[in-house]
Amino acid sequence: DAKTTQPPSMDCAEGRAANLPCNHSTISGNEYVYWYRQIHSQGPQYIIHGLKNNETNEMASLIITEDRKSSTLILPHATLRDTAVYYCIVRVERGYGNKLVFGAGTILRVKS
Amino acid sequence: DTEVTQTPKHLVMGMTNKKSLKCEQHMGHRAMYWYKQKAKKPPELMFVYSYEKLSINESVPSRFSPECPNSSLLNLHLHALQPEDSALYLCASSPGAARALNQPQHFGDGTRLSIL
Repeated sequence: DAKTTQPPSMDCAEGRAANLPCNHSTISGNEYVYWYRQIHSQGPQYIIHGLKNNETNEMASLIITEDRKSSTLILPHATLRDTAVYYCIVRVERGYGNKLVFGAGTILRVKS
Repeated sequence: DTEVTQTPKHLVMGMTNKKSLKCEQHMGHRAMYWYKQKAKKPPELMFVYSYEKLSINESVPSRFSPECPNSSLLNLHLHALQPEDSALYLCASSPGAARALNQPQHFGDGTRLSIL
């Protein structure tokens, strides 16, 4: 399964952009990159996903490099409520289904 | 708030007990998933159901038995669990067939299971 590598933790000042990097050098051509976050005691929350083009939604932007070996999640104006574990995930095919292969995650601490 | 509802939120059971975890979604999703998450670790896939049929079993021990009685409901039956099975059990769903790579999974908040 394709694996992802993320920094274990990052700090960000409130109101500033948070840029979370992820390496996925073994990703295959049809595998999507997903980002989820998990706040303590809750289930993972979907943020965004993409295949090769950059993507933006109301929560974040996803920048994927041209060779698809890495990506960056951007939270444009971080707030204290964005403090969470952020998972970079590759979605891989597996038989008649598919699976989310979670990385170890980055703990993002947003500070005032 | 999540649209995938899991009950109970907490469960404590002995190693000889039989219990069940329940997951429900009313979004019309046709794929449903069970994950296990140990403390300070990422979730790990256990089972995938697609159109009520089991499509992936990640070599999970037989003391965990999944069931999908209809497209809205997913159960996980537990029997003779071990202390190392204590974890957060997460359910998720996604809109179409489980093979679709371009459809996000939506997670419930999980059942925190403790085995005495």
